[in-house]
Amino acid sequence: DVKVTQSSRYLVKRTGEKVFLECVQDMDHENMFWYRQDPGLGLRLIYFSYDVKMKEKGDIPEGYSVSREKKERFSLILESASTNQTSMYLCASSLLATGEQYFGPGTRLTVT
Amino acid sequence: GENVEQHPSTLSVQEGDSAVIKCTYSDSASNYFPWYKQELGKRPQLIIDIRSNVGEKKDQRIAVTLNKTAKHFSLHITETQPEDSAVYFCAEANYGGSQGNLIFGKGTKLSVKP
Repeated sequence: DVKVTQSSRYLVKRTGEKVFLECVQDMDHENMFWYRQDPGLGLRLIYFSYDVKMKEKGDIPEGYSVSREKKERFSLILESASTNQTSMYLCASSLLATGEQYFGPGTRLTVT
Repeated sequence: GENVEQHPSTLSVQEGDSAVIKCTYSDSASNYFPWYKQELGKRPQLIIDIRSNVGEKKDQRIAVTLNKTAKHFSLHITETQPEDSAVYFCAEANYGGSQGNLIFGKGTKLSVKP
């Protein structure tokens, strides 16, 4: 059974802080994704990675960066958190680029 | 850019009735159309998907239809049950093209009243 875990379910940070969100998958998936979920806006892709050390911008990369040093781990970094980055962040992974995406439980981030 | 329009945004049905959610897309090269279900407080999960070489796919009470000419696809749930209450997301992708990632619709909140 595929397992995608995220480091925190809830996180509260202050404006200007550097924030790290971690995602780990245990199924040797090549592809990993970070989404942001806001009410009425659906799921929006921030960054994705098809391989170790590879990263590609999604639809809303501004204010975010990512790191993939190991195949199983994909990190989302907010260099200087702002209140408009308060949201639910979902990580996902897939075996094939064309395949089912398995989501993590999400991290609800609040920036005050 | 690519866009997926999903309607309705909310849908309320009586238990046992059918529910239909429709999505339209703009990229004629799109070839993969999954549907995800997200129950309250839980992660999205794939419930059914269809590729562009077929027009319909069924799995028990759920079915998806695809009209490539009109560029729309729909999720059909028959004999709805309270446990079908959730937010449903459609998505599309052009796998093999320059943009191979899923583009999600904004979601439909389905409420099934007992």
